[in-house]
Amino acid sequence: DTAVSQTPKYLVTQMGNDKSIKCEQNLGHDTMYWYKQDSKKFLKIMFSYNNKELIINETVPNRFSPKSPDKAHLNLHINSLELGDSAVYFCASSPLPGLAGSSYNEQFFGPGTRLTVL
Amino acid sequence: AQSVTQLGSHVSVSEGALVLLRCNYSSSVPPYLFWYVQYPNQGLQLLLKYTTGATLVKGINGFEAEFKKSETSFHLTKPSAHMSDAAEYFCAVGPPSGGYNKLIFGAGTRLAVHP
Repeated sequence: DTAVSQTPKYLVTQMGNDKSIKCEQNLGHDTMYWYKQDSKKFLKIMFSYNNKELIINETVPNRFSPKSPDKAHLNLHINSLELGDSAVYFCASSPLPGLAGSSYNEQFFGPGTRLTVL
Repeated sequence: AQSVTQLGSHVSVSEGALVLLRCNYSSSVPPYLFWYVQYPNQGLQLLLKYTTGATLVKGINGFEAEFKKSETSFHLTKPSAHMSDAAEYFCAVGPPSGGYNKLIFGAGTRLAVHP
């Protein structure tokens, strides 16, 4: 009955490789996000999708490409991995703002994926 | 533009003591404010939020926060710390209603609780 799930939980890979992280939510939310948490615990939004449409792109390198096959899934593909990509990546989802009964801006987070680039 | 400053990257309290985690924000529009907690090796969980209305907001696990517009603050408090409160706490500010949910997070405060 996990609300927001991510796979894998841990990912260790070599520089230059291409990898993907998957995210799924079963909350019926319309909006999904990717955040990056660096080694100092600083959390910053990367992307946001609303019903499969990209709505936020925070000057993330082109090597990062989110893909949303449907509104319940938001995957993150990273090309040519670099040492600086090592971080914990969190997926989140939220209801569409303004809908009756929805909680404004409350985001539900997944457990995170710890990416280590060697 | 919006921003969040959390004063003190580490706070240590004794079990049973008052917990006070400080958060100041900057926003050109009325903000929505949030506190999230992150337990070790877990994702973030919403503790409480302020959107409109009452400025004193109560959350889960006995935490509460007060929105003070004049001080641009949203400090988190708990009267009596418990060992299980040890975690990382993040303050966040969001856009007003109608905007997409872009949250700006502070750098976090690690709370340690000792016997």
